[in-house]
This record gives sequence, structure tokens and C-alpha cells, in this order.
Amino acid sequence: EPEVTQTPSHQVTQMGQEVILRCVPISNHLYFYWYRQILGQKVEFLVSFYNNEISEKSEIFDDQFSVERPDGSNFTLKIRSTKLEDSAMYFCASSEPGQVSTQYFGPGTRLLVL
Amino acid sequence: AQSVAQPEDQVNVAEGNPLTVKCTYSVSGNPYLFWYVQYPNRGLQFLLKYITGDNLVKGSYGFEAEFNKSQTSFHLKKPSALVSDSALYFCAVRDLQTGANNLFFGTGTRLTVIP
Repeated sequence: EPEVTQTPSHQVTQMGQEVILRCVPISNHLYFYWYRQILGQKVEFLVSFYNNEISEKSEIFDDQFSVERPDGSNFTLKIRSTKLEDSAMYFCASSEPGQVSTQYFGPGTRLLVL
Repeated sequence: AQSVAQPEDQVNVAEGNPLTVKCTYSVSGNPYLFWYVQYPNRGLQFLLKYITGDNLVKGSYGFEAEFNKSQTSFHLKKPSALVSDSALYFCAVRDLQTGANNLFFGTGTRLTVIP
């Protein structure tokens, strides 16, 4: 069964450093998403991406964040200058086109900012 | 604005007994409702969804959920709980009226099935 994959599974970084989180969505999916889950809190939407551009973003997704689909398979989330409060589990998800399609989530990347 | 409430942080049930995990939602238009499960150190796994039609939807691993429009609820149920069902369960909603694809999640309910 096709799965969304994410790398790395864990990342530790120093405050102010840039990080890039990588995702490989399910191959025939065209919508891509990033969510995050701060420890002990609910899963929060960050951004959705379709047709090589951002389609929606939340207030969390400020200028420190960017997304890119550098090739036909990868989907990345970049945090330019990490802050302590960026420490969270970051989930990538993908879905087929269509408003009623299901989003399938990857296993997540646990980011720890020191 | 969309929101999801899961009123119970923790649900304990004995193995073999029926289980219910509660969820209520608030949207401006028609809802599109999901349940996901999260096992330790794993991502969110899709269980089931409600789009339209029959109010009782069946999903993976014997789970089902009932959409109740008047009570704005979408409770997750299973007739006979297994120890392996112990996990964190998230209810999520998408508001079809907004046209946005993003999901709004509840805070999660930790289900513990006691052998």
C-alpha cells in the first residue's frame, strides 16, 4: 500500500539555524500539506500546496516558513531561522484531487530546537 | 469558524467491551468528518470519513462512527474493544462551504483498553 514518507525522523538543531524537512507524497497525489503537533497539543494546519503554489496557509505559516516541490517526488518544508517554539512533530500529508479526498499522513519528523 | 471538540482526554475500557470516543464539531457549512488514529511514534492513520449519505460509516479495524447533524456529533464506536486498539484518536473536520482543504483537528482522546 502506498505511503507518505518523511525524512529525517528526528532532527535536533540550534536556535537560529535553518532546517529542511523532507516528504515524499503518494505518487499519484496532487495536493500536499504540512501540519505540526506541539507536544501534548492538537495537530495544527500549516500550509497546503497544489500546482506548484501555496493554496492555503495558516497564521502559523509566517515568513520564516517556506515550502517547495523541487522535483517530481519531494515536498519540503524549510524553516529559515528556527525558534524554540518551533519544536514539534511535523507531519506531511497528501491527497488526490477533489474536495472529498482523504489526506494520508506520513510518520512525522520530530524537530527539537535547542 | 471551524472547530472540533473531543471532551474526553482519556477513555478506559475493558477488552471485549464496546467503546465510544466522542467528538462534536462546529462549521458554518456542511461538514466533512474524519477519524484518525495515532500509535506511539507513528503518524496519523486514517480510520474513516463521513461525506454524505448514510449517517453510520464503517472504517478500518472494525471501527464505525455515527454522524448526528442535530447534535453536531461524530462519535467513534467499536462493538468489542481490543488491547491493540489502545492509541490516541483524533477527530477532524473540513468545512465544505469554505472550499478550503485543510483539516481542523480535535485535541485527541487517549484510549486505553484494559486486558
